[in-house]
Amino acid sequence: GEDVEQSLFLSVREGDSSVINCTYTDSSSTYLYWYKQEPGAGLQLLTYIFSNMDMKQDQRLTVLLNKKDKHLSLRIADTQTGDSAIYFCAASNDYKLSFGAGTTVTVRA
Amino acid sequence: DARVTQTPRHKVTEMGQEVTMRCQPILGHNTVFWYRQTMMQGLELLAYFRNRAPLDDSGMPKDRFSAEMPDATLATLKIQPSEPRDSAVYFCASGLGQGAEAFFGQGTRLTVV
Repeated sequence: GEDVEQSLFLSVREGDSSVINCTYTDSSSTYLYWYKQEPGAGLQLLTYIFSNMDMKQDQRLTVLLNKKDKHLSLRIADTQTGDSAIYFCAASNDYKLSFGAGTTVTVRA
Repeated sequence: DARVTQTPRHKVTEMGQEVTMRCQPILGHNTVFWYRQTMMQGLELLAYFRNRAPLDDSGMPKDRFSAEMPDATLATLKIQPSEPRDSAVYFCASGLGQGAEAFFGQGTRLTVV
């Protein structure tokens, strides 16, 4: 099955950019996703990228995909305290989502 | 504001009891997922439905878990009998079948004592 790995923790200063990295193993993954989970809540879909793209920008979010290295990143510009959460990378082949363990992002003043 | 609704939000039960979790997918969505989240295992896919038909329940312990969609507006996940190791947050998600894009409910936090 698909393995998705991401670092567990990231601490960033308010106003700086955050970069969360993720690697996956299945080269046939068709879609790659970023989800955000706040305490006590479900997962919120932030953005996704199709595997034939290498970049997608959506307001403060930029997703970069290096398909050759099977590396995905999420950049959050001008990080705010409301961005503190767990961020999950996920890869899919057809309907199945394989999630990483999640990166806990802490934004400090 | 369309959202996936799960009930109950919290459930504490004794070992051996039956537990039923309910999910109302977003109207018009044709795919429904059940996920389980634990600290140790992270997010695991338990079951997947498309157009109410179960297409994949390979992640579900068959002897005690069952998932159904009695109609397009209701999905259920049952555990009978429940065990302490079933304690987790259970998420329902629905989608339009575009890849695996899924919109998650708030989850049911299950504690089996």
